[in-house]
Amino acid sequence: AQSVSQHNHHVILSEAASLELGCNYSYGGTVNLFWYVQYPGQHLQLLLKYFSGDPLVKGIKGFEAEFIKSKFSFNLRKPSVQWSDTAEYFCAAENSGGYQKVTFGTGTKLQVIP
Amino acid sequence: DTEVTQTPKHLVMGMTNKKSLKCEQHMGHRAMYWYKQKAKKPPELMFVYSYEKLSINESVPSRFSPECPNSSLLNLHLHALQPEDSALYLCASSPTGRGGDEQFFGPGTRLTVL
Repeated sequence: AQSVSQHNHHVILSEAASLELGCNYSYGGTVNLFWYVQYPGQHLQLLLKYFSGDPLVKGIKGFEAEFIKSKFSFNLRKPSVQWSDTAEYFCAAENSGGYQKVTFGTGTKLQVIP
Repeated sequence: DTEVTQTPKHLVMGMTNKKSLKCEQHMGHRAMYWYKQKAKKPPELMFVYSYEKLSINESVPSRFSPECPNSSLLNLHLHALQPEDSALYLCASSPTGRGGDEQFFGPGTRLTVL
């Protein structure tokens, strides 16, 4: 069955620390991959996505993610977090082609301490 | 206008009631989605409409009935719900519904079934 795993459920970092959130997917065939973020009291919104080309993808607010096909991974990184990055982060995946049917991971709550 | 709106924000209903959730977008998107999100869980896809036609139904019980009157509106009709249906119901839209699209999410309707 298709699935997305996020192993870090709750991460606490101090400001200026580096961030890496893990995401692994289990899909047959070609996949499109996404990271969505939900800031407190706000809607889910897209941080970045990968569907082809350069496996290192840059998104908004200084975030980036690397697609490593051999490891079925799409980890999210940021070199220096800010208090405003406190949010819940969801990795998501879908099979390429056809109608969009996205599966979300369980989410990682990031708390950044000033 | 890059917003997806959902009404009502909160809904409390009994198991014998009939109610409807409404979702609207004016971004010209041709795909719209319903998700269900239980507490501390990721969003789970329920239905996808593409060009006003139901393209995906994730084996949702018939007590949930979606409707897409036009490309801007998406309704979810509720009838004879169970307490376990209590959840946050999220609506989203995307430009085409094809793979790789960014989905734009609304704030959700928090449903409580008594």
